Amino acid sequence: GESVGLHLPTLSVQEGDNSIINCAYSNSASDYFIWYKQESGKGPQFIIDIRSNMDKRQGQRVTVLLNKTVKHLSLQIAATQPGDSAVYFCAETPNQAGTALIFGKGTTLSVSS
Amino acid sequence: GAGVSQSPSNKVTEKGKDVELRCDPISGHTALYWYRQRLGQGLEFLIYFQGNSAPDKSGLPSDRFSAERTGESVSTLTIQRTQQEDSAVYLCASSLSSGTGYLFFGEGSRLTVL
Repeated sequence: GESVGLHLPTLSVQEGDNSIINCAYSNSASDYFIWYKQESGKGPQFIIDIRSNMDKRQGQRVTVLLNKTVKHLSLQIAATQPGDSAVYFCAETPNQAGTALIFGKGTTLSVSS
Repeated sequence: GAGVSQSPSNKVTEKGKDVELRCDPISGHTALYWYRQRLGQGLEFLIYFQGNSAPDKSGLPSDRFSAERTGESVSTLTIQRTQQEDSAVYLCASSLSSGTGYLFFGEGSRLTVL
């Protein structure tokens, strides 16, 4: 069935390093992808999104890359900071307006000083 | 309010009892979502409301689960005859409209079924 998942459940990096969090999706009809960050005890927060007509999108210290050929999505965080420690989820919507987001299982990012 | 508000923040109940969880979305947001998050897991879609359209109930796990929304405001998620496997954080989110992935989440209602 349709699913959105992540390659690794945990990622540990040193402060200042660049982080790359990966996501694989299986629904080739998906056309919109979003990354969310969830800190402990809080609801997820929107980070960045990308539509399927793009390969790359940049935000502040974050970049999302989309490879539709292999159905792979990644989130790159530059100069990772302790405040980036959280669970990161990718989410997708199938190619239909008004359809709910489907979330993957999440990757826990731990940043040590 | 400034954000999505959920209540109660914590609920402990006995197996077999009914519970109601409330969500106040951001004013003006036409879309409202409910998700369930079990400990250490991802977000499981439950139900989605968009304006006056029929809600998308495809994620509700059983007929013990139901939700209502009054116009474009408050929503209530009801779980009847709760089971231990219903224990989770129930997250509500709202967005300006459908077709956007920019959801604003509340902090969730943590449900524990004993």
